[in-house]
Amino acid sequence: QKEVEQNSGPLSVPEGAIASLNCTYSDRGSQSFFWYRQYSGKSPELIMSIYSNGDKEDGRFTAQLNKASQYVSLLIRDSQPSDSATYLCAIYSGNTPLVFGKGTRLSVIA
Amino acid sequence: GAGVSQSPSNKVTEKGKDVELRCDPISGHTALYWYRQSLGQGLEFLIYFQGNSAPDKSGLPSDRFSAERTGGSVSTLTIQRTQQEDSAVYLCASSPRTVQETQYFGPGTRLLVL
Repeated sequence: QKEVEQNSGPLSVPEGAIASLNCTYSDRGSQSFFWYRQYSGKSPELIMSIYSNGDKEDGRFTAQLNKASQYVSLLIRDSQPSDSATYLCAIYSGNTPLVFGKGTRLSVIA
Repeated sequence: GAGVSQSPSNKVTEKGKDVELRCDPISGHTALYWYRQSLGQGLEFLIYFQGNSAPDKSGLPSDRFSAERTGGSVSTLTIQRTQQEDSAVYLCASSPRTVQETQYFGPGTRLLVL
């Protein structure tokens, strides 16, 4: 059973701070890692994808992957109230559709 | 171009009735997925179509659920003899070719079984 674990939150951070979202996974053969953002009542939208160990930066977002420790994280710098949403970690392990975590709810307080 | 579309956006039905949910993927996308999301829960994979290959039905929760994809494009998810526990948002997504690529989600169909 492939599992993807996320802290459900809510994670509350003040505006302008760094929000750190974490995700651990069980399958060592996992190959591709995705972070989706889902606003309340809306469908998920892709924020970041990462495929190799290390950091990947895109604007205020940084994805970090550590395959040895089986975790992937998402950092949001200069957090804004508009970043308040649920963040879903999704992982591809080969030949099966993405496995999604249950998501972490982020609340950015103005 | 146009994104993934789904219809209806909302559906209210009575327990025991059948429902059909429709998904129109992004043009040219060969992979199509159905997920279910219950209130406050994560995404539950239901079924996956890739080109002309046999679909991956491993996520369907019971034999009351079925899906088809005609002509490699539009897909219909059918739930027979609906139960109250089927109430959820049903999300469809598509990706260009393979399951390893970014999935683009539709707006979902909110199903309420009374």
